[in-house]
Amino acid sequence: DQQVKQNSPSLSVQEGRISILNCDYTNSMFDYFLWYKKYPAEGPTFLISISSIKDKNEDGRFTVFLNKSAKHLSLHIVPSQPGDSAVYFCAARGFNTGTASKLTFGTGTRLQVTL
Amino acid sequence: NAGVTQTPKFRVLKTGQSMTLLCAQDMNHEYMYWYRQDPGMGLRLIHYSVGEGTTAKGEVPDGYNVSRLKKQNFLLGLESAAPSQTSVYFCASSYQRLAGGRTDTQYFGPGTRLTVL
Repeated sequence: DQQVKQNSPSLSVQEGRISILNCDYTNSMFDYFLWYKKYPAEGPTFLISISSIKDKNEDGRFTVFLNKSAKHLSLHIVPSQPGDSAVYFCAARGFNTGTASKLTFGTGTRLQVTL
Repeated sequence: NAGVTQTPKFRVLKTGQSMTLLCAQDMNHEYMYWYRQDPGMGLRLIHYSVGEGTTAKGEVPDGYNVSRLKKQNFLLGLESAAPSQTSVYFCASSYQRLAGGRTDTQYFGPGTRLTVL
């Protein structure tokens, strides 16, 4: 049972436009969400996160929006750049899962930014 | 500061063979994790450790063992490899959660691509 879902396996966006990557979750106990970016042959790198007490978090060109009632979050990249081409993973952490940061990951969305 | 490193980068095993994957981190992180990534499955947690000498099972622990004898190292062992264990393995580490705050950011190594024939 996939508790974190990224229903779009791939997305193509022109350079300079907005990229919107979506993530849905089913577990209402998730209260902290992260986005990771992964280039080929490298490990995922942390991009941005949001706590469930917020509905928006912004860091430069990257903004994450959280809609708790819909159990949906999205990552906006504005403007998109060719270097943003990578696989993006959404991840969620449940409340009261102990001291370790056990994350549940989505299946990833491959973003391609074209010239 | 190398961050999280993994050894080896690639390995091919025959069914039934054993091997150990080594993860090392130089950030003095308390927590370390082993994940596997398979097509269409995202990253799944195999085992994790909240400190030296402690380990715990994750989502998909069967067929794997781990050890954390030193704070900076986390070893993943396959005693009898099976084709179903063909995957890319990622190690990660994170800070201990600070009182009143969240430190859930995990730092990942570059991965080990394992093929079991």
